Amino acid sequence: AQTVTQSQPEMSVQEAETVTLSCTYDTSESDYYLFWYKQPPSRQMILVIRQEAYKQQNATENRFSVNFQKAAKSFSLKISDSQLGDAAMYFCAYSFSNTGKLIFGQGTTLQVKP
Amino acid sequence: DVKVTQSSRYLVKRTGEKVFLECVQDMDHENMFWYRQDPGLGLRLIYFSYDVKMKEKGDIPEGYSVSREKKERFSLILESASTNQTSMYLCASSSRLAENTGELFFGEGSRLTVL
Repeated sequence: AQTVTQSQPEMSVQEAETVTLSCTYDTSESDYYLFWYKQPPSRQMILVIRQEAYKQQNATENRFSVNFQKAAKSFSLKISDSQLGDAAMYFCAYSFSNTGKLIFGQGTTLQVKP
Repeated sequence: DVKVTQSSRYLVKRTGEKVFLECVQDMDHENMFWYRQDPGLGLRLIYFSYDVKMKEKGDIPEGYSVSREKKERFSLILESASTNQTSMYLCASSSRLAENTGELFFGEGSRLTVL
């Protein structure tokens, strides 16, 4: 069975600094998608970034980038130039294609200190 | 913008009550999902639906049922609420066109407390 593990329940970063959130997953599939979702306090969850497993190039969205290590089954999120608005819970998720179903990790709460 | 609306942000119910959680999306999405979010456990899939009147069990369907009579509406039903169903419930939808990428659009959540 596929699983997603986020081993950091909480992280903190100073404003303007860089932080990396970790995620590992387990799957026997070769074709899949990985996601990072952001859930701000009392607000709805939104997609931050997506990575297709067949792509070797790491995805980037403005200040957000991933380090995708397929062999190691690792998918970390790097947030550069952290802003107060980045404070949220972040979920790593996996999709084994053609189903629309996502498997989520436990979540990491990110605190941004001014 | 995609909008997924959950009918109640906060509910307090008593053990044994029947509870309805309603979810409506306005983007003509084929797929709809109900997740449960608990601290330290992340999101767990309860039920999902790929089309009207279709439903499939997720990872934790026990104690829940669903209804999808219209494409835009997906309801989660707790036939007899129990205290261990106290949780945050998240509804999500996605387009079949985006199925291979799996991007979900979420509602704001319904926080249910069962006393």
